[in-house]
Amino acid sequence: ETGVTQTPRHLVMGMTNKKSLKCEQHLGHNAMYWYKQSAKKPLELMFVYNFKEQTENNSVPSRFSPECPNSSHLFLHLHTLQPEDSALYLCASSQDLAGGPNEQYFGPGTRLTVT
Amino acid sequence: AQSVTQLGSHVSVSEGALVLLRCNYSSSVPPYLFWYVQYPNQGLQLLLKYTSAATLVKGINGFEAEFKKSETSFHLTKPSAHMSDAAEYFCAVRPSGGSYIPTFGRGTSLIVHP
Repeated sequence: ETGVTQTPRHLVMGMTNKKSLKCEQHLGHNAMYWYKQSAKKPLELMFVYNFKEQTENNSVPSRFSPECPNSSHLFLHLHTLQPEDSALYLCASSQDLAGGPNEQYFGPGTRLTVT
Repeated sequence: AQSVTQLGSHVSVSEGALVLLRCNYSSSVPPYLFWYVQYPNQGLQLLLKYTSAATLVKGINGFEAEFKKSETSFHLTKPSAHMSDAAEYFCAVRPSGGSYIPTFGRGTSLIVHP
């Protein structure tokens, strides 16, 4: 595997389910991000981790719970979601949050549908 | 604080025509600037980046962008559009120095007509 991978690619869940999204980067990066992309809305930054430490929580509801066990893996645990949470969830990584351009590399996303 | 404005949520061109996607930014310090492309049901892919080395930046797939400080712009161009260029394009800015997260524009959908 190369780059940033995300699993599953598609997920349908009921409002009472618990599921997790997984992201893995094979680039040796130290920063990882979760974004939410809804139709007709700008890209929304949700969480940022740098060297496994959370540095940003962009006022995300507690029904979304991130986990970063190491610099290569990032999870998003989901529980009691609402239909408006249906969206494409994108994971990204960058070298870190320090100097330099630190361009981001994105995974293909998980298309989440909440029924 | 930084911000990005992409003028036009949709741009429509004919195959073979010039592509011009506009991006204006604001940043309190010299910025790094990026263009990303997103094809349907995929993640964002870096097209090119500006890092102050040269004002005209060449990217993948024949795209290029020019940094104009006086106009605070970083417009994306391609001389001749292909059908395969149809996608969503995002401009992003990240201030140089410090632990900053990039800010993305709202995106411009490029439509290419045969």
